[in-house]
Formats: sequence, C-alpha cells, structure tokens
Amino acid sequence: GAVVSQHPSWVICKSGTSVKIECRSLDFQATTMFWYRQFPKQSLMLMATSNEGSKATYEQGVEKDKFLINHASLTLSTLTVTSAHPEDSSFYICSAREQGRADSGANVLTFGAGSRLTVL
Amino acid sequence: DAKTTQPTSMDCAEGRAANLPCNHSTISGNEYVYWYRQIHSQGPQYIIHGLKNNETNEMASLIITEDRKSSTLILPHATLRDTAVYYCIVSPLNQAGTALIFGKGTTLSVSS
Repeated sequence: GAVVSQHPSWVICKSGTSVKIECRSLDFQATTMFWYRQFPKQSLMLMATSNEGSKATYEQGVEKDKFLINHASLTLSTLTVTSAHPEDSSFYICSAREQGRADSGANVLTFGAGSRLTVL
Repeated sequence: DAKTTQPTSMDCAEGRAANLPCNHSTISGNEYVYWYRQIHSQGPQYIIHGLKNNETNEMASLIITEDRKSSTLILPHATLRDTAVYYCIVSPLNQAGTALIFGKGTTLSVSS
C-alpha cells in the first residue's frame, strides 16, 4: 500500500532557529500534499496544501512567511519552520493522495507518522 | 461548521464488538464517509470509506443508513491495540486536491 515517510520523527531546537521537516511519498507520486499541525489533546488542524511546482495554499491564520513549504518533486514536500518559538512546538503531520488510485472517486489520504517539534 | 458529530468517548471490553456512531445529517449526495484512527503520537491511519453501501474490510465494517445521515463503524473483536481516537469525516468525491478536515473524534478505550 501507499506509504508516506516523514523525517525527522522528532526534533528539538533553540528558539530563533529554523527547522526543516521532509515528507516523502515512498511508492507513489503525489502532485498535492497536505500539512497538518496537532497540539496536545486536540485534533489535527490543516495548515496548508502543498502543490508540486507551484506555491502552497495556506489556511487562514497560518503565516506563510513563517511556515515555508516547498514541493520540489512529485515525491517530496518540505515544511520549514522559520525563526521557531516555543509556541511553534507541536506535532506536524503530512499526507498525500496516491495518483491513479483504482477507487478514483474517493479521496483516501495516506498520512505520515508525524514529526514532533520542541522549541526551547 | 462541523460536518460530523461523534461521541467524545466510548469504552469497550476486549474481545467485544466496538460500535462507533457518527452523525452526518447534512451530507451531500457527492460526499463519501471516511473513517480514520489515530493511536497516540502517531499519524492517522485509514480504516474504511463508503458512499452508500455498507462496506467491510480486514479492519472493520461500515454501516451507512439508507438516508446517509448517519453511519456506524464496527470493530468486530476489539483488542487493546484498538485503543485510539477515531475520526469520522465526510468529503466530496473526485476532488483529489481536497484535504480531509478532522473533527474532534471519539476516544475509544479498550480494556481487558
């Protein structure tokens, strides 16, 4: 089945530094990937839609200059948290839909295992 | 506005069937019902989806009412490893560029 890999699975950084999180579709291509953020005891919140070869689309309230998204190929999207602060500490999860799925009417997304960011 | 309503939490004894309800009374004719679960500190895992008919796979069964306003996810023989948050999501079909929007889900606790 489709597999989405995220790296790193956890990262600790100092306040003010930048952190990059990679999301890869291992056995399929994805023109679109989605980034979510999850705070403790809360549900997943959609941050942005990453489009291969074009600019990402950000949800209302998400700062595009702070959360840089690059979808450079059909199998890789990256999320860079710039000038991270403690309030950016969260669980970041990406997902993708396999192109050309047999059940092409459905929008089944495959999710990565998540990346836990702690900013000190 | 939330498109689905689920109970906040449910308990189930190990080995028994877990029946998780979901209300989606405003579902449109072009929307599927999806179920995902999230085990603590992991990414969501796809379970099953359906449009009109009941569906079954190796993980669970999905029962959708005839009017499609509600559905039930059934885990036939719950195990401790099924303890997780279960999300019921509705989303339009044939929209590959559409993200899934998660509600609060149901926390299922399976105990021995």
